[in-house]
Amino acid sequence: AQSVSQHNHHVILSEAASLELGCNYSYGGTVNLFWYVQYPGQHLQLLLKYFSGDPLVKGIKGFEAEFIKSKFSFNLRKPSVQWSDTAEYFCAVNARNTDKLIFGTGTRLQVFP
Amino acid sequence: EAGVTQFPSHSVIEKGQTVTLRCDPISGHDNLYWYRRVMGKEIKFLLHFVKESKQDESGMPNNRFLAERTGGTYSTLKVQPAELEDSGVYFCASSQDPSGSGTTGELFFGEGSRLTVL
Repeated sequence: AQSVSQHNHHVILSEAASLELGCNYSYGGTVNLFWYVQYPGQHLQLLLKYFSGDPLVKGIKGFEAEFIKSKFSFNLRKPSVQWSDTAEYFCAVNARNTDKLIFGTGTRLQVFP
Repeated sequence: EAGVTQFPSHSVIEKGQTVTLRCDPISGHDNLYWYRRVMGKEIKFLLHFVKESKQDESGMPNNRFLAERTGGTYSTLKVQPAELEDSGVYFCASSQDPSGSGTTGELFFGEGSRLTVL
């Protein structure tokens, strides 16, 4: 069965610190990979996605993620976080022929000024 | 363009009562999904509509949950009778499927309906 693991449940950083959130997935076939973000009081929104091609994907607000197929990983990174990045981040995967997403448990990020 | 809207935003009911959650997808989106997040756990798939048809309902917990999508527009998710373990946030999402391939790349989510069963 497909599954997604996010190892960091709660991350606390100061502004300007670098961020890396881990995501590993388990699936035998070809997948699409996503990071969604939920800011306080708002809906889930797409941060970035990987379908194929360059494994380094750039998303909104300076985020990027790297797909490493051999490690089944899709870690999210940002070189310098801001207070406004405080949110919950979800890694997700789907099989190539479906929109059905399998989510990780989420990582709550708190950024202090 | 209006996003996915869900109602109510928060519902508090007692065990054994009935609750109906509603989702209005983005206009023109054929795909509609229901997901649920129990506190502290992952967001789990419940079911998927394509227009008015249930494409996949493998995630529905049990027969106390009933989802409908009238005329391929809005959808309702009814829980009857509600149990304590049904508490959580119920998310609705929609997506386009212009090619009919079933892979569109992005789901648009509503803000969720928080259900508390006492």
